Amino acid sequence: SQQGEEDPQALSIQEGENATMNCSYKTSINNLQWYRQNSGRGLVHLILIRSNEREKHSGRLRVTLDTSKKSSSLLITASRAADTASYFCTFGAGSYQLTFGKGTKLSVIP
Amino acid sequence: DVKVTQSSRYLVKRTGEKVFLECVQDMDHENMFWYRQDPGLGLRLIYFSYDVKMKEKGDIPEGYSVSREKKERFSLILESASTNQTSMYLCASNQGPYGYTFGSGTRLTVV
Repeated sequence: SQQGEEDPQALSIQEGENATMNCSYKTSINNLQWYRQNSGRGLVHLILIRSNEREKHSGRLRVTLDTSKKSSSLLITASRAADTASYFCTFGAGSYQLTFGKGTKLSVIP
Repeated sequence: DVKVTQSSRYLVKRTGEKVFLECVQDMDHENMFWYRQDPGLGLRLIYFSYDVKMKEKGDIPEGYSVSREKKERFSLILESASTNQTSMYLCASNQGPYGYTFGSGTRLTVV
């Protein structure tokens, strides 16, 4: 199984700023997903973007997918202290199981 | 609200003990998964199951076994707990290759 690689590993911003994190992968995919994990808790599914989609929005979240570059980005606009968490990307590539990377740790400073 | 429930949030066990971590989902999902999460290593897949009584090894199955006697329940078993199995254990379920629903995690400490 292959995993996505999130970049940067850590990001610190002021409340109200936008946060952008990136994900790269190496194989062909059916979809790409982003998850959030608050400290010490399970992961929460945020958004899924299919391989034939280029951009998707959900509230303050905007995800883009560039299959030619095998990369995706997650933008959180107008960040809040409650957005402080680790963010993981993963992808479906025809198998049941998803593999997770090490994530991007986002700190939003009030 | 759909749920994956892990039986314990925190667990302390002694070296050599047999440890059971239980996971129950109420979404009638076919697939269930056990991960462990360690600082700097991310989430690593231990075992998964795509049907009752079926199981597949993940990336790090050594020292673990699993049981899936009913569709809604997936148990992770540490046959003889060791200190290097101290970790956060996360259970998840899904239907098809789409979004997972995770439990809240069990933080296991082996002393």
